[in-house]
Amino acid sequence: DGGITQSPKYLFRKEGQNVTLSCEQNLNHDAMYWYRQDPGQGLRLIYYSQIVNDFQKGDIAEGYSVSREKKESFPLTVTSAQKNPTAFYLCASSLPPGTAFGGYTFGSGTRLTVV
Amino acid sequence: AQSVAQPEDQVNVAEGNPLTVKCTYSVSGNPYLFWYVQYPNRGLQFLLKYITGDNLVKGSYGFEAEFNKSQTSFHLKKPSALVSDSALYFCAVRDTGGATNKLIFGTGTLLAVQP
Repeated sequence: DGGITQSPKYLFRKEGQNVTLSCEQNLNHDAMYWYRQDPGQGLRLIYYSQIVNDFQKGDIAEGYSVSREKKESFPLTVTSAQKNPTAFYLCASSLPPGTAFGGYTFGSGTRLTVV
Repeated sequence: AQSVAQPEDQVNVAEGNPLTVKCTYSVSGNPYLFWYVQYPNRGLQFLLKYITGDNLVKGSYGFEAEFNKSQTSFHLKKPSALVSDSALYFCAVRDTGGATNKLIFGTGTLLAVQP
């Protein structure tokens, strides 16, 4: 079955560490997205990519970095510059603009906690 | 600015009663509207969408939503609530500013169905 896999499910980060969250999809979707979810704030867009080797900042990109070297993969690095990284991180994918866009398919999320 | 509003943080309903979760939007042009459901520590699952056509849209698990252009609303409804419907519900609209399929999400409404 096609879908999106996020790993790990739970991640603990020490102060000053960089950590990388994995997102892999086998839906053949061109577009991929990273959102951060905090209680009461809904989903906020961190980065998105519409095609391999290209990505754009979202609304809260500071302290985060991404890469898109393969169509299937869109890893997110939470750097030490992100001062409040504790949150639930969601990866999603979709068809690109100009196609029959039916919304996003989401992964099951990674819960990141600073210890 | 394009936006989505979910005016209720929480909706409480008794099992067997009808439920409504409210959503209003503000976008330029024709809206693409979506409802997603999230269970604890899980990703978002697609419920239904409005792209064009009939204003009443039917989706998964017996949910439906009514698109009202004059009131810029897209309320989620179900004739008879189940305890298992208790979850966090998100309304989303496609960002029409630019050639992307970015979704703008509301802050979410927690639905609590009492037995």
